[in-house]
Amino acid sequence: DQQVKQNSPSLSVQEGRISILNCDYTNSMFDYFLWYKKYPAEGPTFLISISSIKDKNEDGRFTVFLNKSAKHLSLHIVPSQPGDSAVYFCAASIQGAQKLVFGQGTRLTINP
Amino acid sequence: GAVVSQHPSRVICKSGTSVKIECRSLDFQATTMFWYRQFPKQSLMLMATSNEGSKATYEQGVEKDKFLINHASLTLSTLTVTSAHPEDSSFYICSAPLAGSWNNEQFFGPGTRLTVL
Repeated sequence: DQQVKQNSPSLSVQEGRISILNCDYTNSMFDYFLWYKKYPAEGPTFLISISSIKDKNEDGRFTVFLNKSAKHLSLHIVPSQPGDSAVYFCAASIQGAQKLVFGQGTRLTINP
Repeated sequence: GAVVSQHPSRVICKSGTSVKIECRSLDFQATTMFWYRQFPKQSLMLMATSNEGSKATYEQGVEKDKFLINHASLTLSTLTVTSAHPEDSSFYICSAPLAGSWNNEQFFGPGTRLTVL
């Protein structure tokens, strides 16, 4: 049972344009949603997160939007840069339980 | 920010041998650590939760006798892959949350690439 889904395995975007990565979830108990970025042969690094009581969180070029009724969140990167090329994982957790449930990941490629 | 290290970064071993992977939180204490494995082009699969001072909690389908976890101190957890076989070849990653983190953020180690011949 895949509680967190990233249905796009890959995404290719022109440098300078907006990258939009999507994530859907099924468990309405999730309280927090996090985005991680991962380069090959490295551990994931934290990017940005959002609490379920909010619908938007922004940090520099990164913005996460949460639509609780649709059980959907998205990560917007603007403007996209070549260094953003990586695999992006969406993750969710429940307050009081430290476990993270990860989506399958989306490989983002930024083309010059 | 919090730093988590793993050792070794890569290991190649013969089938039937055991391999130990260390995960350390360098600048914070972690009563809980998590062990994941990642197959090529796949997601991070949680294997087990390592608990300092008590037994690890394993996810469904993970053999606890094959993947031995020891949380020896507040900064060290070890994963031992016993009697390794080629199908155990994978990328193993550990993580640790900061106590009191509002969003359950976890800090990940750099990973260990295990290749079993």
